[in-house]
Amino acid sequence: GNSVTQMEGPVTLSEEAFLTINCTYTATGYPSLFWYVQYPGEGLQLLLKATKADDKGSNKGFEATYRKETTSFHLEKGSVQVSDSAVYFCALSSGGYQKVTFGIGTKLQVIP
Amino acid sequence: NAGVTQTPKFRVLKTGQSMTLLCAQDMNHEYMYWYRQDPGMGLRLIHYSVGEGTTAKGEVPDGYNVSRLKKQNFLLGLESAAPSQTSVYFCASSLGADQETQYFGPGTRLLVL
Repeated sequence: GNSVTQMEGPVTLSEEAFLTINCTYTATGYPSLFWYVQYPGEGLQLLLKATKADDKGSNKGFEATYRKETTSFHLEKGSVQVSDSAVYFCALSSGGYQKVTFGIGTKLQVIP
Repeated sequence: NAGVTQTPKFRVLKTGQSMTLLCAQDMNHEYMYWYRQDPGMGLRLIHYSVGEGTTAKGEVPDGYNVSRLKKQNFLLGLESAAPSQTSVYFCASSLGADQETQYFGPGTRLLVL
């Protein structure tokens, strides 16, 4: 079946540091890949997505590239802010009815 | 446009009690989902619906039932709550067809004693 692997964290960074959160996946067919973000006390919201190999999704300074050869979709941001503190979920959609498989989520803490 | 709303926000139940969680969306979305979120396990799909009057089992359906009598509402029922059902429950919806982005509600925190 489908699966998504990411580290749970927490990842603690100082403000303006570079962020990488690794995500690898296993899936049949050609999945779409997503990063969702969950701020404290809220539901998940879409951060970015990519629907085919070599696509780059980007939003709010975050970006991730769909790498089919390494089955990866790593999230990066050049300079994090305190307001980026949240839990980040990598996810994939494949197999019909848009059922999404989520990773366990990576907690990011950015300190001033 | 409220998006996806969930009722209640928080609930405490005793083992064996029943309750219904309500999810409502005002975006005219076809597909709706119920997930549970547990530490170290991410989100797991309980049940989903691809249209009014339809429901289907997800990854962890045991102990839950659902109904979608109206397009905008998706109800999750616990007939006899167990401590293992202590979790945060999220409802989500998506437009359908090839529009894959899911929109989430704020969650319901459930504690079963």
